[in-house]
Amino acid sequence: DTEVTQTPKHLVMGMTNKKSLKCEQHMGHRAMYWYKQKAKKPPELMFVYSYEKLSINESVPSRFSPECPNSSLLNLHLHALQPEDSALYLCASSQDLLARGNSNTEAFFGQGTRLTVV
Amino acid sequence: GDSVTQMEGPVTLSEEAFLTINCTYTATGYPSLFWYVQYPGEGLQLLLKATKADDKGSNKGFEATYRKETTSFHLEKGSVQVSDSAVYFCALITGGGNKLTFGTGTQLKVEL
Repeated sequence: DTEVTQTPKHLVMGMTNKKSLKCEQHMGHRAMYWYKQKAKKPPELMFVYSYEKLSINESVPSRFSPECPNSSLLNLHLHALQPEDSALYLCASSQDLLARGNSNTEAFFGQGTRLTVV
Repeated sequence: GDSVTQMEGPVTLSEEAFLTINCTYTATGYPSLFWYVQYPGEGLQLLLKATKADDKGSNKGFEATYRKETTSFHLEKGSVQVSDSAVYFCALITGGGNKLTFGTGTQLKVEL
C-alpha cells in the first residue's frame, strides 16, 4: 500500500464554519506534511510533522490548525477562513524527514482536498 | 535562499516528439533533485530523482541527469504520448531543511 488518502476530495465552507481535512497513510511513514497549492502555482509547504510532533510551521495563520493524533493520521482543522484560502490542500508522507543525499527519500502525495471558501 | 527555475510553459508537442523541460537550481551545497508530475485534478507523483552529481534518474521513458557543473536537472523523453499531458515540477531538498522546494511547474500538452 503506497497510498496517501485524503478526505474529503472537495469541500465548500463559509467563512464562519469550522471544518477539518483528514489525511491517512499506512506505509509506516514517520513524517507527514501539509501543502497548499493555488491554481497554476507550485505547492507551498505549510506544516511538517515528525514522529507525531510538529517540526516545521511555515508561519501559517492560526486559522489553520494541524493535528497528528497518531502516526498514520494527520488532520488540518480550519476555522474562520477567507476566500483567498481557497486552494488544493495536499498531504504527503515520507519514511523519515526529507533529507539531502538520502536515496530512500521520497515523499508520497495524496490526491488533495479542493477547498472553496465562500 | 534555495530556488528552482523551470522553463515557462505551456509546452505543446505532437505525439512521438522529443521532450526537454529545462530545470536549473540555486542551492547551498549539493541538493537532492526530483521531478514530480501532476495530472489534471490530481495530487503529485514522483517521476524520478537523483541524489548526487552525475546520477541519472529514469522512469516511464523519462530521464534526467544531475549536472553539478551547470546546476541543472533537465527532464527528457524521446517520444511523448498524449497521456503524458500534465504539469511537471522540478524540486530539490537541501541539507539545511527537511522540505521540498518546487519550481513553478511546466505544463505539457501533447496533441495527436
